[in-house]
Amino acid sequence: SQQGEEDPQALSIQEGENATMNCSYKTSINNLQWYRQNSGRGLVHLILIRSNEREKHSGRLRVTLDTSKKSSSLLITASRAADTASYFCATGGGNKLTFGTGTQLKVEL
Amino acid sequence: DSGVTQTPKHLITATGQRVTLRCSPRSGDLSVYWYQQSLDQGLQFLIQYYNGEERAKGNILERFSAQQFPDLHSELNLSSLELGDSALYFCASSVSGGASYEQYFGPGTRLTVT
Repeated sequence: SQQGEEDPQALSIQEGENATMNCSYKTSINNLQWYRQNSGRGLVHLILIRSNEREKHSGRLRVTLDTSKKSSSLLITASRAADTASYFCATGGGNKLTFGTGTQLKVEL
Repeated sequence: DSGVTQTPKHLITATGQRVTLRCSPRSGDLSVYWYQQSLDQGLQFLIQYYNGEERAKGNILERFSAQQFPDLHSELNLSSLELGDSALYFCASSVSGGASYEQYFGPGTRLTVT
């Protein structure tokens, strides 16, 4: 069963706009990671945020983590058509990652 | 290119058959993970190996088994295949065995059971 649940399930925006995806999880975590998957291809790691961190940036990505609410958000600024993909959060605890259900992002020209 | 290779890319087989999927991790990575991705179940963790030994088990069926060899490549064996086993199977690797490390995913093997 999935630990994380992403919201929204699907998101369609215009190029240049910002995209925000949310992830909620159920149990305590050591870290939370975000991955991107282009259609039918392998997942690509985007960013890792540890449980003692609240915010992290990487290029056009901004991730926040609120452990009290058991939630995280991924913000992609100034989106591009190439950002079209599915985005998954993954919660880390013990030896394994548990992936959420994903948000399908479509960036239109 | 993640540095993780998987073969074959596609596999079509009949129900009841047995197949072997192969994965070579990134150079230097000791840990290998196997995942199954299907439309109805999403991305499911199957099993993890670290330096040749099983480290964690997820939703892996008894009909499935895996191993990691001394050269660190891994194989996932699927037997008595059913239609519901049709899915994308991903292998991922990481430098260490804990969940605090990013995982590098291979391109996947698409299995179709007819």
